[in-house]
Amino acid sequence: GENVEQHPSTLSVQEGDSAVIKCTYSDSASNYFPWYKQELGKRPQLIIDIRSNVGEKKDQRIAVTLNKTAKHFSLHITETQPEDSAVYFCAAVRRNQGGKLIFGQGTELSVKP
Amino acid sequence: DADVTQTPRNRITKTGKRIMLECSQTKGHDRMYWYRQDPGLGLRLIYYSFDVKDINKGEISDGYSVSRQAQAKFSLSLESAIPNQTALYFCATSDLSTGVLAGELFFGEGSRLTVL
Repeated sequence: GENVEQHPSTLSVQEGDSAVIKCTYSDSASNYFPWYKQELGKRPQLIIDIRSNVGEKKDQRIAVTLNKTAKHFSLHITETQPEDSAVYFCAAVRRNQGGKLIFGQGTELSVKP
Repeated sequence: DADVTQTPRNRITKTGKRIMLECSQTKGHDRMYWYRQDPGLGLRLIYYSFDVKDINKGEISDGYSVSRQAQAKFSLSLESAIPNQTALYFCATSDLSTGVLAGELFFGEGSRLTVL
């Protein structure tokens, strides 16, 4: 089955710096890759997603890139702010598995003022 | 606002006890899921259901069972709880109408279970 590896497990940056979180997946049939943000004590919420027919997607300070050949995708956050501090999860889903998302292990991002 | 509601939010129990976590949703979504969150392990899928008559095992279904009582209700049971089932459990829903591939998951607030 699908396996998603996420790195790093923790990331600390200064406010205003960029942050990059990387994920690799094992199933070449996966073609939907969302990112979820979980603030402390809260539920995970979708922040951005990308499908396999697109190489990059951007939404304000957040962008996601996908390399299908290498089977990895990354989340880029620019001009980080303290409110970006949270746990971020990547996920992947196989083409014939509907909404059965397989998540990575999570990255705890800390943005220091 | 339409939402996903989990009960109980917190539960402490003893080894061997039967526990049920309940999830109800007012989003009108067909698909419902149970995930387990452990530090360093992310969110792992326990069971999922695409409609009332459809139940599927996820990555870590051993020791768990589920019941889809209605489109809006999906319960997770631990028949005989053990300490390594101590975790934060999330129910989630998604909308079939967004496409076969996948849709956004909408999570409940979570149920923290401690098994002593």
